[in-house]
Amino acid sequence: DAGVIQSPRHEVTEMGQEVTLRCKPISGHDYLFWYRQTMMRGLELLIYFNNNVPIDDSGMPEDRFSAKMPNASFSTLKIQPSEPRDSAVYFCASSLGSGARGYTFGSGTRLTVV
Amino acid sequence: DQQVKQNSPSLSVQEGRISILNCDYTNSMFDYFLWYKKYPAEGPTFLISISSIKDKNEDGRFTVFLNKSAKHLSLHIVPSQPGDSAVYFCAASALFQGGSEKLVFGKGTKLTVNP
Repeated sequence: DAGVIQSPRHEVTEMGQEVTLRCKPISGHDYLFWYRQTMMRGLELLIYFNNNVPIDDSGMPEDRFSAKMPNASFSTLKIQPSEPRDSAVYFCASSLGSGARGYTFGSGTRLTVV
Repeated sequence: DQQVKQNSPSLSVQEGRISILNCDYTNSMFDYFLWYKKYPAEGPTFLISISSIKDKNEDGRFTVFLNKSAKHLSLHIVPSQPGDSAVYFCAASALFQGGSEKLVFGKGTKLTVNP
């Protein structure tokens, strides 16, 4: 099993540009989570999906952020327009069931907005 | 407002000694507590967990203790090894309003085990 796959690993973009982060969850997992890690706030849950349906997006910081899961094997997190304060490491995780023990994280995307 | 707090950003111990990582929480509705370990350039990986109905769970060199009255948990690593050097995240799970189950993380403690 290849685990949770995120792309790109690193992204550097200019302020105002659109950024799209991608995630392929583990096959068969029915939950998908997007987290953001910063020094100030640690790991924050942004949004999660169950069977491709968004369940809780209360962690999405602003309307500039949007996430989609068009099918069971793919999800995107989009920031438009990007700002320097969006610089962080973004993690995708998936699980079978919402039980906390089952979260498998990807390696993350390090986003730098200049 | 941080519901899960790890007040020590870093900890340094000698190889072979005990490492104790601490975590405090504020929400009494948390029903499950977990520790994740994170190496640089990798995602967090699950280490050990404990249900709120227990006060101790042990897995090899790793033991998690839960003190519900104090809303405090700790991770003990005995003996510590250089390969344990990583960032350790404390996390807690609860069923929130609306039926949403969330995993809330602390900010992490960077453990360095010196040879």
